[in-house]
Amino acid sequence: EPEVTQTPSHQVTQMGQEVILRCVPISNHLYFYWYRQILGQKVEFLVSFYNNEISEKSEIFDDQFSVERPDGSNFTLKIRSTKLEDSAMYFCASTTNRGGSFGPGTRLTVT
Amino acid sequence: GENVEQHPSTLSVQEGDSAVIKCTYSDSASNYFPWYKQELGKGPQLIIDIRSNVGEKKDQRIAVTLNKTAKHFSLHITETQPEDSAVYFCAASPTGKLIFGQGTTLQVKP
Repeated sequence: EPEVTQTPSHQVTQMGQEVILRCVPISNHLYFYWYRQILGQKVEFLVSFYNNEISEKSEIFDDQFSVERPDGSNFTLKIRSTKLEDSAMYFCASTTNRGGSFGPGTRLTVT
Repeated sequence: GENVEQHPSTLSVQEGDSAVIKCTYSDSASNYFPWYKQELGKGPQLIIDIRSNVGEKKDQRIAVTLNKTAKHFSLHITETQPEDSAVYFCAASPTGKLIFGQGTTLQVKP
């Protein structure tokens, strides 16, 4: 069964550095999402992406965040200047319609 | 915006017993309600979902009920097994995005 994959599994970075989290969605899916989960808390929506543009974003997704689908298979989340509070698990999800198949996540640790 | 409340936060049952997790939502525009199971170190896995035009859906030992009038929906797991132990999240979707509840840690004691 096809799966969403994410790399790296764990990323450690210093405050103020840029990070890029990568995802390969399921190939026939059309809608792509990023969510994050701070340790012990609920999963929070960040952004949705459809037809090569952002379709919806949350208040968390400020100017420090950006998404891109550079080559038709990868889907990336960039955080321009990381803050301590960006430490979390970041999940990519994709779907043909509603819901989503989630990847295993990238644990981002900002020191 | 949509808000989803989930109860209980932790639930401990004996193997073979039933487990029920309840969620309420605020946005009447929500029309899709999935449930996810998250095991330690993994991403959420969809286990069952229901749309607003259906009141109940069942898949083997798992069932979900939806009361649109009261804006609540529930997950029922029967004949629980130790491998059911995980964190369960409900979610509601008014658009494409998912708004998650706080999660329920289910422990099934053998």
